[in-house]
Amino acid sequence: EVQLVESGGGLVQPGGSLRLSCAASGFTFSSYWMAWVRQAPGKGLEWVANIKQDGSEKYYVDSVKGRFTISRDNAKNSLYLQMNSLRAEDTAVYYCARDVLKGACDYWGQGTLVTVSS
Amino acid sequence: DVVMTQSPLSLPVTLGQPASISCRSSQSLVYSDGNIYLHWFQQRPGQSPRRLIYKVSNRDSGVPDRFSGSGSGTDFTLKISRVEAEDVGVYYCMQGTHWPPTFGQGTKVEIK
Repeated sequence: EVQLVESGGGLVQPGGSLRLSCAASGFTFSSYWMAWVRQAPGKGLEWVANIKQDGSEKYYVDSVKGRFTISRDNAKNSLYLQMNSLRAEDTAVYYCARDVLKGACDYWGQGTLVTVSS
Repeated sequence: DVVMTQSPLSLPVTLGQPASISCRSSQSLVYSDGNIYLHWFQQRPGQSPRRLIYKVSNRDSGVPDRFSGSGSGTDFTLKISRVEAEDVGVYYCMQGTHWPPTFGQGTKVEIK
């Protein structure tokens, strides 16, 4: 059974940093693109970033470019999102998802809440 | 960025009746390989999104056949032939043809 379990969310002050993790199981992690998608409280979905199977290609939405870094460790079946210079507008539930076909994410984690507030 | 516009944003439906959600893109979603990367997701209350349909009309495994997707170019539709109680939630269209992938605002389906 495919499982994606996020962790690392919490309350952080504006300008602070946080690192999210996503533990994958039930599939060959190294064979898939992976993505982070976020959802602000009561709002819709927003693509954040994705990463190729071997980590050689990474893409970011403009609003996080230069502040967030997506990475993966295929030996540990894990996906990460390093978030720096956090802003109030980054407050959201962050989902890890398996990106099988140009955004057609077929499995999603339960999400982890990041709150940026003083 | 490609803007995805869904309508309606709220859809009260009687159990057993059909429902239809429109999704329009600000640009053609035909990719250079000829495919259209338009997908539909369901988000039930308190749950993570779930993919229902990929590439316009391909229904996911386990998705009831009362769900169907259609469309071309910039105009797409998700239809539920007979709404059931478990269909309550928010439905999002999403395009993956152009970077960055973008979602519609969501359509909230509720039972009358």
